[in-house]
Amino acid sequence: AQSVTQPDIHITVSEGASLELRCNYSYGATPYLFWYVQSPGQGLQLLLKYFSGDTLVQGIKGFEAEFKRSQSSFNLRKPSVHWSDAAEYFCAVRFTGNQFYFGTGTSLTVIP
Amino acid sequence: SAVISQKPSRDICQRGTSLTIQCQVDSQVTMMFWYRQQPGQSLTLIATANQGSEATYESGFVIDKFPISRPNLTFSTLTVSNMSPEDSSIYLCSAGQGGTNTEAFFGQGTRLTVV
Repeated sequence: AQSVTQPDIHITVSEGASLELRCNYSYGATPYLFWYVQSPGQGLQLLLKYFSGDTLVQGIKGFEAEFKRSQSSFNLRKPSVHWSDAAEYFCAVRFTGNQFYFGTGTSLTVIP
Repeated sequence: SAVISQKPSRDICQRGTSLTIQCQVDSQVTMMFWYRQQPGQSLTLIATANQGSEATYESGFVIDKFPISRPNLTFSTLTVSNMSPEDSSIYLCSAGQGGTNTEAFFGQGTRLTVV
């Protein structure tokens, strides 16, 4: 069955530290991959996307993600976290058709 | 990109009543979707709003409870009917041009509390 998993429900990092949020999917082919961020009381904002080509993609706000086919993963990274990065992060996958499947989200807390 | 505006941004409603949420996109889009995000949860697709025809509902969601309209390529409404406290959620409108290699854009959501 097609699915997307975010293993970490909640992550706490210190400001300035590096960050990695995990995302795994289950599918027989390469899906289309997205990371969205949701700040409190807000809708979802697209951080980055992967469709094909270079497996390391750059996004907004200093985020990047790497697609690893062998691991069926699309982990989100940031070298130095800012306090304003505290939010909920959702990995989303599009397999076929137009429907998005969202992971359960990872809540990020940034401590001074 | 597309800018999506939702109204109302939040509401508190009495059980048994209905609320209609509006979604306006600043450009013509092929696809529009409605999602529900229950407290502390991820997004669940309610339905795809089809222009000029009936919406396509996901398993567990029915037209009588969540009637949807889409009169044109920039506007859609979702009605939450005969509300109960279990309907308290954030409802999000999403839009895009369709096709697997395109992203979806989201409104800011409507936070609904049913008392």
